[in-house]
Amino acid sequence: DAKTTQPPSMDCAEGRAANLPCNHSTISGNEYVYWYRQIHSQGPQYIIHGLKNNETNEMASLIITEDRKSSTLILPHATLRDTAVYYCIVRRYSGGGADGLTFGKGTHLIIQP
Amino acid sequence: GAVVSQHPSWVICKSGTSVKIECRSLDFQATTMFWYRQFPKQSLMLMATSNEGSKATYEQGVEKDKFLINHASLTLSTLTVTSAHPEDSSFYICSARDLARLNTEAFFGQGTRLTVV
Repeated sequence: DAKTTQPPSMDCAEGRAANLPCNHSTISGNEYVYWYRQIHSQGPQYIIHGLKNNETNEMASLIITEDRKSSTLILPHATLRDTAVYYCIVRRYSGGGADGLTFGKGTHLIIQP
Repeated sequence: GAVVSQHPSWVICKSGTSVKIECRSLDFQATTMFWYRQFPKQSLMLMATSNEGSKATYEQGVEKDKFLINHASLTLSTLTVTSAHPEDSSFYICSARDLARLNTEAFFGQGTRLTVV
């Protein structure tokens, strides 16, 4: 799976949009971009994933650049409960679900009141 | 999303004893479950892949005789830390994928905090 690079930490004001960048310059054509987050002392929570088109769900939006070498996770209206470590993970499609995930260090997002 | 439940949420045990952690998929079936370990201020590290009805696959550096994995059904995998020592104190997390949904996200349990004294 391709390596990802994320800033170690970010601050965002409550109510504002939080934009979390991720670089994955070695991504290959069959690799997806996944985002998870981990609130302190809990298991990771799936947020969103995409291949090349932008994606949106009830939690967030995922913007992937046209060359797919980077992406941005957007939390449109951050709340204090969004304070967590956010992990950007690139992995191949695996129909059988046989591969575990490789977690980097992620970005510690701190929402300020 | 699908629900994965771990039990117990936390456990304290004496050095030299064994501890069993359960991971259940509550509303879906999973032939494969994954076990991770997370030390303080570090990221999750994959320990092993648990396959229903067959032997688990361990990552390099993880002792299979110390971390016993049993995946006897499509909804339950167990991790037993044998002869636990203080250095085994960590946050253990399992995850599973839904058989019926290809290329789906992994669902994680809430984790088990193990403290060996």
